[in-house]
Amino acid sequence: SAVISQKPSRDICQRGTSLTIQCQVDSQVTMMFWYRQQPGQSLTLIATANQGSEATYESGFVIDKFPISRPNLTFSTLTVSNMSPEDSSIYLCSVDSTSLLGEQFFGPGTRLTVL
Amino acid sequence: GENVEQHPSTLSVQEGDSAVIKCTYSDSASNYFPWYKQELGKGPQLIIDIRSNVGEKKDQRIAVTLNKTAKHFSLHITETQPEDSAVYFCAASTDPLNTGFQKLVFGTGTRLLVSP
Repeated sequence: SAVISQKPSRDICQRGTSLTIQCQVDSQVTMMFWYRQQPGQSLTLIATANQGSEATYESGFVIDKFPISRPNLTFSTLTVSNMSPEDSSIYLCSVDSTSLLGEQFFGPGTRLTVL
Repeated sequence: GENVEQHPSTLSVQEGDSAVIKCTYSDSASNYFPWYKQELGKGPQLIIDIRSNVGEKKDQRIAVTLNKTAKHFSLHITETQPEDSAVYFCAASTDPLNTGFQKLVFGTGTRLLVSP
């Protein structure tokens, strides 16, 4: 499976500011995804990061709040904009396997606390 | 859309016992069912998966069963060890456009505690 890294691993931010999270994969992948995991909760898909085009957002998530970039097949960023305490979560990047059999592999996550 | 329910929310067992976690799904079109293990402070790790054309799959101490008719699937861990302690998530997904892209919907998670 691919090796996935995220930066930063954790951060504490002030209300109203923005944070950009980076996801780097050690090999080219077709699909990259961003998930949110609120404290003690399950994982919810935010959007699919498409290479060379706009991201595809799930219901309840909008581009103005969570802008995403995917400049190439190994890198993506997620920005959490105009943060509020409700945005305190773990943000996870995942990628599909090159086998195209559907497996997804997750990065270590970014733990965000908004004060 | 797909809805996945997972039970129990917490499970405590003694080392060496078996543990069973159950999930049900709502969308009969779902065809891929992975299980993830998430240790504290880490991202979810894929531990086993099963597809709709298979009823059971084993990998050492871990097995997964699927009942398509009842729309439920289960994770079985035998001879549990303290290092099995973690949160386990089931998921279900479909690939309606046959693109190879599986959109995962996760269960609510089960916190497994294995006591020595």
